[in-house]
Amino acid sequence: EPEVTQTPSHQVTQMGQEVILRCVPISNHLYFYWYRQILGQKVEFLVSFYNNEISEKSEIFDDQFSVERPDGSNFTLKIRSTKLEDSAMYFCASVRHKNQPQHFGDGTRLSIL
Amino acid sequence: QQQVKQSPQSLIVQKGGISIINCAYENTAFDYFPWYQQFPGKGPALLIAIRPDVSEKKEGRFTISFNKSAKQFSLHIMDSQPGDSATYFCAAKLAGNQFYFGTGTSLTVIP
Repeated sequence: EPEVTQTPSHQVTQMGQEVILRCVPISNHLYFYWYRQILGQKVEFLVSFYNNEISEKSEIFDDQFSVERPDGSNFTLKIRSTKLEDSAMYFCASVRHKNQPQHFGDGTRLSIL
Repeated sequence: QQQVKQSPQSLIVQKGGISIINCAYENTAFDYFPWYQQFPGKGPALLIAIRPDVSEKKEGRFTISFNKSAKQFSLHIMDSQPGDSATYFCAAKLAGNQFYFGTGTSLTVIP
């Protein structure tokens, strides 16, 4: 069964540095998402992306965050200047049609020192 | 603002018992209600989902009960097994495709 894959599985970064989290969605999917899960807390929506542009974003997704689909397979989340509170699991998800259930990757654990 | 409220936070059930997890929502614009299962170190995986025009959906040992007037929905796991031990999240989707997740329930099934 096709999967959403995320790399790296664990990223350790100094506060203030830029970080890029990478995702390869399922190949025929059209809608892409990033979520965040702070340790022990709920999964929080960050942003959705369709047709090469952001379709929705939450209040968490401020100017420090950006997303990009640089080629036909990768979907990236960039945090420009990381803060301690950015430490969390970041999950990528994708879906072919809007009203179908999302497929999640196994996440990237981001640790900000 | 907590769009979806989930309870209990943790649940311990004997093998063979019924696990029940509840969620409540406020926004009547939600149009899709999935339940996700998450094992440690893994992403959430869709377990079962329901739309608001249906009151119950059953898939194997898993059943969603949906009460539109009360704005509540619940997950029932029949004949609970140790392999069901995981964190379960309810979620609700707006028409614009933004999902709101509950706070999660850690289920432990004791052999």
